[in-house]
Amino acid sequence: GAGVSQSPSNKVTEKGKDVELRCDPISGHTALYWYRQSLGQGLEFLIYFQGNSAPDKSGLPSDRFSAERTGGSVSTLTIQRTQQEDSAVYLCASSSPPGERQYFGPGTRLTVT
Amino acid sequence: KQEVTQIPAALSVPEGENLVLNCSFTDSAIYNLQWFRQDPGKGLTSLLLIQSSQREQTSGRLNASLDKSSGRSTLYIAASQPGDSATYLCAVRPGSGGSNYKLTFGKGTLLTVNP
Repeated sequence: GAGVSQSPSNKVTEKGKDVELRCDPISGHTALYWYRQSLGQGLEFLIYFQGNSAPDKSGLPSDRFSAERTGGSVSTLTIQRTQQEDSAVYLCASSSPPGERQYFGPGTRLTVT
Repeated sequence: KQEVTQIPAALSVPEGENLVLNCSFTDSAIYNLQWFRQDPGKGLTSLLLIQSSQREQTSGRLNASLDKSSGRSTLYIAASQPGDSATYLCAVRPGSGGSNYKLTFGKGTLLTVNP
């Protein structure tokens, strides 16, 4: 079946603008995860959803970051007032059941100029 | 705080060679450990997942071992091929289990297999 998809694949935005990144998980996967991959920083966990609720938001770097998931499917990661340090690849993954093997999307490369 | 280290950071081998990638973690209380592969500009592909109660997992030419007490895992690749060239990452899930699904990743080993 189809894998995890993310859009857009690339996004260039000006500092101070808001951006929305979208993730479509594998159909039927109840758990959804967002990660950020920066040069030199490696991969860091941002947030996890079980269904539409987010029991773990501990990785969100600041209150400019928020995420939601609707219908137990699509998720949107929103970054408000983007800063240059937000430039990174944002990866989404899904799994079922939660905690088991995670399947990753191709990522969204965000560049803040 | 869990820290995951991968050694070496980069490895270049001739085609056909057997090789070992290393992963170590500071907190041995893990629930499971995964090895991933990442191709340039692409997402991650899960290769193997080892539960904390297991010692190893095998898939084709790949074999991953886990020594939880010493905080180590290895990924063995047999008869390497140029198509194996990629970055290999390991990640651990906390041993508290439950609803704690936050993976901690190493920074990866960049493998190049030369024809």
